Amino acid sequence: QKEVEQNSGPLSVPEGAIASLNCTYSDRGSQSFFWYRQYSGKSPELIMFIYSNGDKEDGRFTAQLNKASQYVSLLIRDSQPSDSATYLCAPTRSNDYKLSFGAGTTVTVRA
Amino acid sequence: DADVTQTPRNRITKTGKRIMLECSQTKGHDRMYWYRQDPGLGLRLIYYSFDVKDINKGEISDGYSVSRQAQAKFSLSLESAIPNQTALYFCATSEDLGDTQYFGPGTRLTVL
Repeated sequence: QKEVEQNSGPLSVPEGAIASLNCTYSDRGSQSFFWYRQYSGKSPELIMFIYSNGDKEDGRFTAQLNKASQYVSLLIRDSQPSDSATYLCAPTRSNDYKLSFGAGTTVTVRA
Repeated sequence: DADVTQTPRNRITKTGKRIMLECSQTKGHDRMYWYRQDPGLGLRLIYYSFDVKDINKGEISDGYSVSRQAQAKFSLSLESAIPNQTALYFCATSEDLGDTQYFGPGTRLTVL
């Protein structure tokens, strides 16, 4: 079982729609969860992080965490063409607090 | 100016050559990391450093070595490059373990 699994995509959504990205993780002790956005050929940049169960909103982005189900998601509301990128899920490991990165979900927003 | 810089940005080399990738940061962070990224595999940790005197292997350190010359500088070396080391390499920093990591722009390395 992979440490972090993300739906591989690509995920194609029309402009203005909601993009929903899912991530499951195997380390039950993971405490912090990061979402990074990576444009093609560029470096990952932090979108948001979440520590507590429930929802966390930041502008058009909402992260949802359910530790009991070992599941974290990212919703992108009112998707824009500039949101077209690969989104990386990265929980921290419980034994050493380093990040484990998923392979990413590629999102394409259609104008 | 960028907080985390990497040089070179692109490098093409031949099998067997020694290569050094350099990373510098102005964020004042003690923690620094080297990752490689391959299509479909995500980011994999090569080496990480807690401070100048503390360097640790990551999950894929074979064939690589590192040097932490100062708090701000962390270099990655490929002693004898091989084609399967062709990848995108990223340096990152964080204030502490478990904190947000900030990435450099990356080095695209091609080994022929």
